[in-house]
Amino acid sequence: NAGVMQNPRHLVRRRGQEARLRCSPMKGHSHVYWYRQLPEEGLKFMVYLQKENIIDESGMPKERFSAEFPKEGPSILRIQQVVRGDSAAYFCASSPPSGWNTEAFFGQGTRLTVV
Amino acid sequence: GESVGLHLPTLSVQEGDNSIINCAYSNSASDYFIWYKQESGKGPQFIIDIRSNMDKRQGQRVTVLLNKTVKHLSLQIAATQPGDSAVYFCAEKLDNFNKFYFGSGTKLNVKP
Repeated sequence: NAGVMQNPRHLVRRRGQEARLRCSPMKGHSHVYWYRQLPEEGLKFMVYLQKENIIDESGMPKERFSAEFPKEGPSILRIQQVVRGDSAAYFCASSPPSGWNTEAFFGQGTRLTVV
Repeated sequence: GESVGLHLPTLSVQEGDNSIINCAYSNSASDYFIWYKQESGKGPQFIIDIRSNMDKRQGQRVTVLLNKTVKHLSLQIAATQPGDSAVYFCAEKLDNFNKFYFGSGTKLNVKP
């Protein structure tokens, strides 16, 4: 039973380019969450998605950032026109359908470096 | 917004000693709490959880205590080992959406 798979593990982009981060949830999980982590800091919630629906995007920057979780395929976090301040580790987590006290399982993260 | 905070950013302990990592939360409506361990270069891993209707839960070498009166959570690690060196996060869940709020973390250094 594979865990949450994120790719790529490391991504280098030049300023102004686009970054696409992928997350395949655990089998049977229909909920996906994206978190961002700066060095020596905690995890900042970005967005919560179910299949084909964005449930909560209150943590997403209003510009350049978007996320999707299509019916088929992985969840994608897309950052357009990246800037140096976007450099961070981006973690994806997944969980089973919403229920009482269900933990989230994390992937290994994608480390984005903007040069 | 983020509502979980930690008292100690860094904790150094001697191998074999017990460790206590603390966490404060601000929302009395939080009903579920998890401690995660994050090793360098890896994603957070579940350690132990506790529901709001409990005040203590024990696992293997770890114990979580919940004090709802003062909105305080702690993680106790018995006989700390070098492999316990990591950053520890507490997280609270505010509703049934599985949306967790994380604190800034405590870095645990275990000295041999």
